[in-house]
Formats: sequence, C-alpha cells, structure tokens
Amino acid sequence: GQQLNQSPQSMFIQEGEDVSMNCTSSSIFNTWLWYKQDPGEGPVLLIALYKAGELTSNGRLTAQFGITRKDSFLNISASIPSDVGIYFCAGLYGNKLVFGAGTILRVKS
Amino acid sequence: GAGVSQSPSNKVTEKGKDVELRCDPISGHTALYWYRQSLGQGLEFLIYFQGNSAPDKSGLPSDRFSAERTGGSVSTLTIQRTQQEDSAVYLCASSRTAGQYNEQFFGPGTRLTVL
Repeated sequence: GQQLNQSPQSMFIQEGEDVSMNCTSSSIFNTWLWYKQDPGEGPVLLIALYKAGELTSNGRLTAQFGITRKDSFLNISASIPSDVGIYFCAGLYGNKLVFGAGTILRVKS
Repeated sequence: GAGVSQSPSNKVTEKGKDVELRCDPISGHTALYWYRQSLGQGLEFLIYFQGNSAPDKSGLPSDRFSAERTGGSVSTLTIQRTQQEDSAVYLCASSRTAGQYNEQFFGPGTRLTVL
C-alpha cells in the first residue's frame, strides 16, 4: 500500500532555531496535510496543501507541496517551547489519509 | 464541548476478552473515521463511514475488528478476543463530509492495553 517516509524521526533543538522536516513517497498524492499531536490528544491540522508546487504559511509554519506530488516539507521558524510535540505528514489517497510515522520535536529553552 | 469525544480514555483488558470503544462525532458531521496509532507509529486507517453508504472496512486488520455507526452519529469499534498486539491508541475523527478532509477533527483517543 501507500507509504510515507517522514524524517527526521526526532529533533532536539534550541529555542529560537528554525526546524525543517519532510515526507516522501513513491506514490503520488493529490493533497498533503501536516498535523501536530500533543500528548494525550488527537492530531490537530496545521496546514493543508492541495496543489503541486503550492507554498502555504500559517504563522511561523510554512509547508510546500512538492512539484512531483511525491513529497512535502514543513518548516517552523523561531521555535518556541510550545512547539514540542509530534508532527505528522499525511497524504490523501482516495478518501483515506495515509500518515507518516511522525517527527518528535523537543525544544530546549 | 463541541469536539469529537471518545470513551473510555483508557482501557486495560486481559487477552481474549472483547472490548468496545465509543466515538461521539461532532454534531452534523456525516463522515466518521477510525484510526489505530501504535507506539512510535503514524496513524493507521481502520474504517470510515459516510452517511448511509456502506462503510469502507478495508483497513480493519482482522475479522476480530468490527465497527458500527448507529443513526449516522455515534460509532462503536469492537475488538473481539483481544490480543497483546491490539494494544494501541484508537483515534476517531469526523468531518462534515468524506471529501472535506481538511476539516477532519480528531478525538483524544482511547488507549487500549491488552495484558
């Protein structure tokens, strides 16, 4: 089935640093989504991308939909302590979302 | 609140017992999804319901897993004869329609532990 490879698996960065994570797949997706999950909570949608090449920002977050439709990246600028959590990419295949394994972000204040 | 709710929040059971997990979607949402999240893994699609259409059960891992959605609202995921590998967080999500994936809201999940 469709698989998403998300990297890095985890990151431990200094407060104020920029963060970058990405997802790749051998399959084409028509939509890419980025979610954040806090402990004990369900994932919350951060950014949705619908068009190849699209670059979208949401505050300090920026995400891009790769032109091959097989990859996407998420950047977080000037990280703050509340950015900690697990970030998931997801690709829409039909009516189902296929999720990456997640990137665990830890921020040193 | 107005969000997706799930119960119980935690469930510990013995191997071989049956369990039922409940999801209350957001009122008016016609699409409902179940996912499984194992430790350190992404979310694995299990099943989704859209209105009165037949559910898409293609993600259910075995015939021990089943789900119902009564009256187009509340859903119950049942796992029969639980095994230790069933231990995971089970997440429910709902959206206004199946196509409005960008409005897929997740519940807090049920953490299932099979001893």
